[in-house]
Amino acid sequence: SYELTQPPSVSVSPGQTARITCSGDALPKQYAYWYQQKPGQAPVLVIYKDSERPSGIPERFSGSSSGTTVTLTISGVQAEDEADYYCQSADSSGTYQAVFGGGTKLTVL
Amino acid sequence: QITLKESGPTLVKPTQTLTLTCTFSGFSLSTSGVGVGWIRQPPGKALEWLALIYWNDDKRYSPSLKSRLTITKDTSKNQVVLTMTNMDPVDTATYYCAHRRGGAAAGTGGWFDPWGQGTLVTVSS
Repeated sequence: SYELTQPPSVSVSPGQTARITCSGDALPKQYAYWYQQKPGQAPVLVIYKDSERPSGIPERFSGSSSGTTVTLTISGVQAEDEADYYCQSADSSGTYQAVFGGGTKLTVL
Repeated sequence: QITLKESGPTLVKPTQTLTLTCTFSGFSLSTSGVGVGWIRQPPGKALEWLALIYWNDDKRYSPSLKSRLTITKDTSKNQVVLTMTNMDPVDTATYYCAHRRGGAAAGTGGWFDPWGQGTLVTVSS
């Protein structure tokens, strides 16, 4: 099986920068995508193709990639950013069309 | 505007077959590059990809659940149906369908945007 690894939790104070990582062996060859999920709601795409931001997503959300790790960065964190964040990608063989990381709970202190 | 909505039973008994329908609008599943996926989330747990169907009827399944899943599309009704056999209490989850975006070639994965609101399915006798 193919796995993406995320830290279970990240905590930051308002106005600080939050960085959430996601690691996977196929990430040098496959794009990564990031979703924000607030309690009781469906996931919302915040980053696609490693670093592209969909329309309507605030500029404080950005993504980057380096080797087997991708990072979601939230600059100037606001209270409303408190949520679960999931990375998604695929394996290099095409067997796993989509794999999700275990999710990271972002807490705004 | 693309919207999707899941429908189906909220309660199924162990060993029964679950049938969920995703009804969508704002796109056509006969358009090249388009797909619809199913993803589930047990209470308090992470997202898990289940299946994906492409515009050309290419169907892909999670290897761990492949033997239990079937995904089909009805382009004329703008619907995608997922069936899961031999349901077990561990299959209790919110089931989401989502619009797939990505490369023009089928079988290349991609990302999901937007998602339906999800439907909670409980497996219990």
